[in-house]
Amino acid sequence: LAKTTQPISMDSYEGQEVNITCSHNNIATNDYITWYQQFPSQGPRFIIQGYKTKVTNEVASLFIPADRKSSTLSLPRVSLSDTAVYYCLVGAFYSGGYQKVTFGTGTKLQVIP
Amino acid sequence: DAGVTQSPTHLIKTRGQQVTLRCSPISGHKSVSWYQQVLGQGPQFIFQYYEKEERGRGNFPDRFSARQFPNYSSELNVNALLLGDSALYLCASSLVVGGGYTEAFFGQGTRLTVV
Repeated sequence: LAKTTQPISMDSYEGQEVNITCSHNNIATNDYITWYQQFPSQGPRFIIQGYKTKVTNEVASLFIPADRKSSTLSLPRVSLSDTAVYYCLVGAFYSGGYQKVTFGTGTKLQVIP
Repeated sequence: DAGVTQSPTHLIKTRGQQVTLRCSPISGHKSVSWYQQVLGQGPQFIFQYYEKEERGRGNFPDRFSARQFPNYSSELNVNALLLGDSALYLCASSLVVGGGYTEAFFGQGTRLTVV
């Protein structure tokens, strides 16, 4: 299983853009990269997923370089409600429904007023 | 539509006891996965079931077992509880549509405390 490494914590002021980088040096060819957000005592919530290059949705962007050994989650103009733990996840569901995923240690983002 | 539901929400057990946790996936989702999240750490994969068959198993002892029912709900059983089994147990369901990682929807979890 691919191992992921993220910063333990980050602080940001409200309204700023936040970039969280995840390293996954031994990512497999079939692995996707997914980011989840988790609030205390709640289950993780899907933010964004990608395989290569750049993916953007209504809440975030995901940048993946050509070698796919790292990825960067970008949160535009964070608010206090974005204070949470963000997990980088690599893995894949294969055609037979087989799952092979690894959660990282998570990055605790603290948004400051 | 209801999301992933887990029961009970909280549970206190004594060392050596057995516990059963339950999960109902989102309607139409046939894949259910279980995770253990110890305080301050990321979720650790325990099991995945798809179409009632075990499709993946994490690095957990045989005290942990699971099954999936015809209606795709699932149970996680833990025997001979240890203090170290105290954690948030998360269930996730997914709509598997072929290769590639699909979005997993997580329940609120069951907080298990072993005393």
